[in-house]
Amino acid sequence: GAGVSQSPRYKVAKRGQDVALRCDPISGHVSLFWYQQALGQGPEFLTYFQNEAQLDKSGLPSDRFFAERPEGSVSTLKIQRTQQEDSAVYLCASSPDGGIATSEQFFGPGTRLTVL
Amino acid sequence: AQRVTQPEKLLSVFKGAPVELKCNYSYSGSPELFWYVQYSRQRLQLLLRHISRESIKGFTADLNKGETSFHLKKPFAQEEDSAMYYCALSFPRTGGFKTIFGAGTRLFVKA
Repeated sequence: GAGVSQSPRYKVAKRGQDVALRCDPISGHVSLFWYQQALGQGPEFLTYFQNEAQLDKSGLPSDRFFAERPEGSVSTLKIQRTQQEDSAVYLCASSPDGGIATSEQFFGPGTRLTVL
Repeated sequence: AQRVTQPEKLLSVFKGAPVELKCNYSYSGSPELFWYVQYSRQRLQLLLRHISRESIKGFTADLNKGETSFHLKKPFAQEEDSAMYYCALSFPRTGGFKTIFGAGTRLFVKA
């Protein structure tokens, strides 16, 4: 079956530009996560959704970052006024369960964002 | 604060040799620990989780609460084991859960 998909796979933005990154989770998955992975680092938690509810956004680095999942399926991560330090791979993951820490997360291929 | 530490950025072993990838965690409650793997040009995927107590592709990991460690081991490394390995800690938070990853260890198995 189809896994988690993300688009675009690559995005180059000029500093100050707004970008929107899309995640299509596995159908029926309750939980959705966004991570930021800088070069040479592990994924860093950004935000978590359970269905359409954003339960945790403690990892968003600034108010320029905004995420939504309005119908409990597709999610969009928006970054306003991009800066060079936003350059990273943005990973989306989904999980079939809500609120169960032992659940496996299924990852998308990531979007590589480069801010010039 | 919760933390996952993988002290080795790179681990290089010969084919057939034993391998151990180290992972230490910091968490005050009962941890849920995982190993995720990323093979070349593939997406991050689950290798194993401690709650399942399973062996996947010959790998095992034992939770040692006294040493707060969850090291990944395999007695005989294979070339196809070459990949990036991430240790991860999940814990309940605000009605859901949060996952923290280590920085990763790149395993290179030489022929």
